[in-house]
Amino acid sequence: AAGVIQSPRHLIKEKRETATLKCYPIPRHDTVYWYQQGPGQDPQFLISFYEKMQSDKGSIPDRFSAQQFSDYHSELNMSSLELGDSALYFCASSTGQGALRYGYTFGSGTRLTVV
Amino acid sequence: AQTVTQSQPEMSVQEAETVTLSCTYDTSESDYYLFWYKQPPSRQMILVIRQEAYKQQNATENRFSVNFQKAAKSFSLKISDSQLGDAAMYFCAYRTGYGNKLVFGAGTILRVKS
Repeated sequence: AAGVIQSPRHLIKEKRETATLKCYPIPRHDTVYWYQQGPGQDPQFLISFYEKMQSDKGSIPDRFSAQQFSDYHSELNMSSLELGDSALYFCASSTGQGALRYGYTFGSGTRLTVV
Repeated sequence: AQTVTQSQPEMSVQEAETVTLSCTYDTSESDYYLFWYKQPPSRQMILVIRQEAYKQQNATENRFSVNFQKAAKSFSLKISDSQLGDAAMYFCAYRTGYGNKLVFGAGTILRVKS
């Protein structure tokens, strides 16, 4: 079965650079979520989209932006990168109603390292 | 705001034995959902089991079961017949019936000894 695809798997950037993370949800899933997991930390919710509109917003820095496209894939854009942005970034997807009961399916994550 | 607390940073269990991971949460909502996720060394987040707050019956998935005590706001995970492949970080998570995001606990590292 198709899963949530995230690219790239690993990314190394220098401070003050820009990074773009991509997420391709499971087919027919209309909702995408982004989470950030720092070293030894629990995942923290960043932002979510339903039907290409932002549906919820968490602790996402102003330096970060995200959007969901017409094919439901999503991109997380991160600018002016800081060392503290080094983390595992998860994307998850669900159907709008499916998430209520079933949680959602996570991708394998993008490991971002800022040097 | 909802919070999820996992008071056991690390637990160990002997292979084939049973272990219980604790989770408590704080909420004023009446409609919500609780989940346990497993994160092995690969860092993949894998849904283990879920519980709807309106259901009194405890959820069970093969060797995994929960003890859901709504009044006490407690949601523990029991793993029976532990296997080496169960070794992972386990996160308890909460989701309201109205919102999208999951709120995670700090996690419990489970080590399985052979």
